[in-house]
Amino acid sequence: DADVTQTPRNRITKTGKRIMLECSQTKGHDRMYWYRQDPGLGLRLIYYSFDVKDINKGEISDGYSVSRQAQAKFSLSLESAIPNQTALYFCATSALISGAGNQPQHFGDGTRLSIL
Amino acid sequence: SQELEQSPQSLIVQEGKNLTINCTSSKTLYGLYWYKQKYGEGLIFLMMLQKGGEEKSHEKITAKLDEKKQQSSLHITASQPSHAGIYLCGADSEGGSRLTFGEGTQLTVNP
Repeated sequence: DADVTQTPRNRITKTGKRIMLECSQTKGHDRMYWYRQDPGLGLRLIYYSFDVKDINKGEISDGYSVSRQAQAKFSLSLESAIPNQTALYFCATSALISGAGNQPQHFGDGTRLSIL
Repeated sequence: SQELEQSPQSLIVQEGKNLTINCTSSKTLYGLYWYKQKYGEGLIFLMMLQKGGEEKSHEKITAKLDEKKQQSSLHITASQPSHAGIYLCGADSEGGSRLTFGEGTQLTVNP
């Protein structure tokens, strides 16, 4: 079983619809992230959370919201989807180890979202 | 904000050849990560470099960090078709709260 699970894997929807992408992890990591990947633009950070009560905006948070329901769950919502939000979305997690510096992020398999 | 430039953007090599991918930062590097991605799939963590001059190897892949040049290189020896994919570098921000990624290098290895 995957350590970082994203659902759904693929989604096609229409402009104006509300969409939720879900991410769950079994790694026991405190930190979770949402990115989108677009051709030619690389990976861009949407939101990140360092614990259940900590939510931070990334570089492209407009049009998105998130919820950290538990340590293991971090969901991304598009309240009213628009076509330029068509992209590949990734969830990632990383550990917080006191005194050990930053740890690598581990990624889910992605959600391919198409908005018509 | 920090920017990472990867070169080349794409690379096609014959199986068995050596190759190098570079990642250059516009700011001081505090931590540098290399990932591999198969098209349309998730990113697989390869290596993390945190100190100037640090070098790490895994199987036929070696990564180095040149802190003074604000650059990291990824070298693959005797490439194989299984090495094909997109290689991305990511760098910690000052304070380490987030990663910035390069746009990736698309590697094709022809048998």
